[in-house]
Amino acid sequence: GAVVSQHPSWVICKSGTSVKIECRSLDFQATTMFWYRQFPKQSLMLMATSNEGSKATYEQGVEKDKFLINHASLTLSTLTVTSAHPEDSSFYICSARAGRDEQFFGPGTRLTVL
Amino acid sequence: QKEVEQNSGPLSVPEGAIASLNCTYSDRGSQSFFWYRQYSGKSPELIMFIYSNGDKEDGRFTAQLNKASQYVSLLIRDSQPSDSATYLCAATPRSGGYNKLIFGAGTRLAVHP
Repeated sequence: GAVVSQHPSWVICKSGTSVKIECRSLDFQATTMFWYRQFPKQSLMLMATSNEGSKATYEQGVEKDKFLINHASLTLSTLTVTSAHPEDSSFYICSARAGRDEQFFGPGTRLTVL
Repeated sequence: QKEVEQNSGPLSVPEGAIASLNCTYSDRGSQSFFWYRQYSGKSPELIMFIYSNGDKEDGRFTAQLNKASQYVSLLIRDSQPSDSATYLCAATPRSGGYNKLIFGAGTRLAVHP
């Protein structure tokens, strides 16, 4: 149980375009999902907390207008990177909370912006 | 001071030995603690969680929590080369409303045959 999927697993796009990443909890309902970003050889940095049916809570320094988060159902959250630039290239990972506090991670999406 | 601190390593142990990974946290009100394993290029995988002081065992893994010392550790018995990965410690601090995980930078473990 507690399987989380992400799509796509990797994406290459041109600078200035927008990219949407989907995160799904496959075998459980998740009222709360999280979006992280990880640069090479660094730890995970929480970008935002996504609550079903309400606005996401962004961490300090994360631009909410650039990283749009939608959590329209109990099994799906999406992250849209708008007007992507090369510095946005990173490994984006979502997680979903199950049980008391445990978070289960999706496989990640590797974004490369040319 | 970082909220969750780990030695970056690498920690090198021979196959079959016990690997001991350590983590400290700064928010005394932190509630839950987690150990994740992350292979290079992959996302983290939950190994264990612990909420109460003391030890918690699951197979070859033992998590230890000492809230008075604000210290949590992970022991891996009979280490295998396949255990070679980065181990991430995480906590749910009171400062975050217990709602989010704060991760340490991770300790890289290398198990050599």
